[in-house]
Parts: sequence; C-alpha cells; structure tokens
Amino acid sequence: GAGVSQSPSNKVTEKGKDVELRCDPISGHTALYWYRQSLGQGLEFLIYFQGNSAPDKSGLPSDRFSAERTGGSVSTLTIQRTQQEDSAVYLCASSLFLDIRETQYFGPGTRLLVL
Amino acid sequence: DQQVKQNSPSLSVQEGRISILNCDYTNSMFDYFLWYKKYPAEGPTFLISISSIKDKNEDGRFTVFLNKSAKHLSLHIVPSQPGDSAVYFCAASTQGGSEKLVFGKGTKLTVNP
Repeated sequence: GAGVSQSPSNKVTEKGKDVELRCDPISGHTALYWYRQSLGQGLEFLIYFQGNSAPDKSGLPSDRFSAERTGGSVSTLTIQRTQQEDSAVYLCASSLFLDIRETQYFGPGTRLLVL
Repeated sequence: DQQVKQNSPSLSVQEGRISILNCDYTNSMFDYFLWYKKYPAEGPTFLISISSIKDKNEDGRFTVFLNKSAKHLSLHIVPSQPGDSAVYFCAASTQGGSEKLVFGKGTKLTVNP
C-alpha cells in the first residue's frame, strides 16, 4: 500500500506568518510521530500520537507549535508566528502501534523556509 | 547536550570493502538502538536494530554491534555497494519509556565504484 505522505513538500513563508503541515500516515497505523531536522543536525523528536491522543507535548520547541490528529489518521502540525529558526525539514512517521520496537516508516518531509 | 553522537560526519570506502559506522551514547537508560538510512529528498528508512540484551544483530550484509560498557555501537556493511551511499543515522531509546527516538547527526557514507 501507500507509504506515509506529507504536504506540502516545500513551503516558503515570511517571518510572522502561520504555517500548517500535513501528514497522512500508512492506513491502519495507530501511532504517528513528528520530527524535524535542522541544517546539519540530527532528527529532533517533537511529538507522538497514540490514536488521536498526544500524551507528551514537551518535545515541541515552543508554544507557537501545536499538533493534532483526527480520526486516528491525518495529523497537522501548525507553527504560529514563524521565526527564521523554524526553518527545517519536518518529518512525519507512523508505526502499526505504539512501541519503540515497532518500525517507524517516515514520509519524505516538508522543507520549510522562513524568510 | 547531545545524548547520541556520531563523530564522523562522512566516510568514504571502496566498493566491496567493509564500511564501519560508529555511534556513541551517554544516557545509560538507553536500551534499544536503531540505524536508519536516508537518501537525499527522502525520509529515513529503518535498517537494523538491537536490544541491549544482545551484543550483535545481523541482517544480510548489515551487522550492528553493541558494547554497553563503552556505550558504543557500530554498523558494519560487508560488502559495501555503491547503492549503500547515503546518510546513516544512529538512534536510541528506552523500551517502555516515552517512545521517543533520540538521533545522532548522521554520517554520510560514500561507496566508490
């Protein structure tokens, strides 16, 4: 079946604007994860969902970041009042269920550039 | 403070030879380790994992070794192929913990024909 898809693939925005990033996980996967990769850095964990619930939001970099998941499927990561340091590749992953030993399948990412 | 470190940003090897990618970690609570491979403009792809109850796990050309006392793991690729050229990320986590993967910065492997 289809893999994890993310949209848009690229986003250029001006500082101060809000952006919304979308993730469509693999059908049937109950767990969903968001990461970001800044230039020259490793992947930084942001948040995970078990179903529609996100038990731990402490990985979100600031209160300008929020995420939601509806219907146990699509997830949206919203960044309000974007700053230049938000420029990064935002990656979404899903797994069949929530267990670190369960393979996480990644999407291609959304490349965000804040001018 | 970086909990997972990949100190070599890049590695170049000849086709057919062994590639050894290294990873060090500082958090003694980590007990599950993974390697991911990433091609440009694609998301990372899971390669191989190892639990702390083992010191070696093998899958075809890929073998991961874990040295818990040294807090060190390595990925061996034998024989290396040009298609293995990619960025390799080491990741670590705690089973039964926060389900959070902590990644290193990656090592770019180039396999020359």
